[in-house]
Amino acid sequence: GAVVSQHPSWVICKSGTSVKIECRSLDFQATTMFWYRQFPKQSLMLMATSNEGSKATYEQGVEKDKFLINHASLTLSTLTVTSAHPEDSSFYICSASRSASTDTQYFGPGTRLTVL
Amino acid sequence: GNSVTQMEGPVTLSEEAFLTINCTYTATGYPSLFWYVQYPGEGLQLLLKATKADDKGSNKGFEATYRKETTSFHLEKGSVQVSDSAVYFCALTNTGFQKLVFGTGTRLLVSP
Repeated sequence: GAVVSQHPSWVICKSGTSVKIECRSLDFQATTMFWYRQFPKQSLMLMATSNEGSKATYEQGVEKDKFLINHASLTLSTLTVTSAHPEDSSFYICSASRSASTDTQYFGPGTRLTVL
Repeated sequence: GNSVTQMEGPVTLSEEAFLTINCTYTATGYPSLFWYVQYPGEGLQLLLKATKADDKGSNKGFEATYRKETTSFHLEKGSVQVSDSAVYFCALTNTGFQKLVFGTGTRLLVSP
């Protein structure tokens, strides 16, 4: 149990376009979902935390107007990279937690975004 | 602030060798410590965790002991297998928070 999927697994887009990445908890309800960004040979950096039905909480330095996060249901969160630029190219990973009181997060396999 | 430092890889071992991956941390308060593993093409999976000083987390033959005096949480396994080849991440959360702070990851390559 506790499987998290992401779609797409990789995407290539042109500079200036927007890209949406989906994160789904397949066999449990996720009260809280997290979005991370991973640069090559670097650690995962938390971008934002989202609770179902609430606005996402962004980490310092993350542009909320650029990285739009929606957590409309207990099994789905989306990250939209708006007006993407080459510097947004990265590996984006989501995770999901059953509740705000648990420290266990279940991770998706990640989405590789390349902006040309 | 909170941070995690782990040894750079890759770590290359032969099957049945002893494994140690070092991890040290800096944190305020009383963090919980974790090791996550990422197999090729898959998401991160929780390998083990420890929530207080002197706790030992263990799973699948891997162990790590929460050492407050040395602020360390080194990962060990007595005899590695080819199937252990993966990237291992050390991480922490601070008291009452879900935010995970990760190390940079260490790639382990085990050859037959």
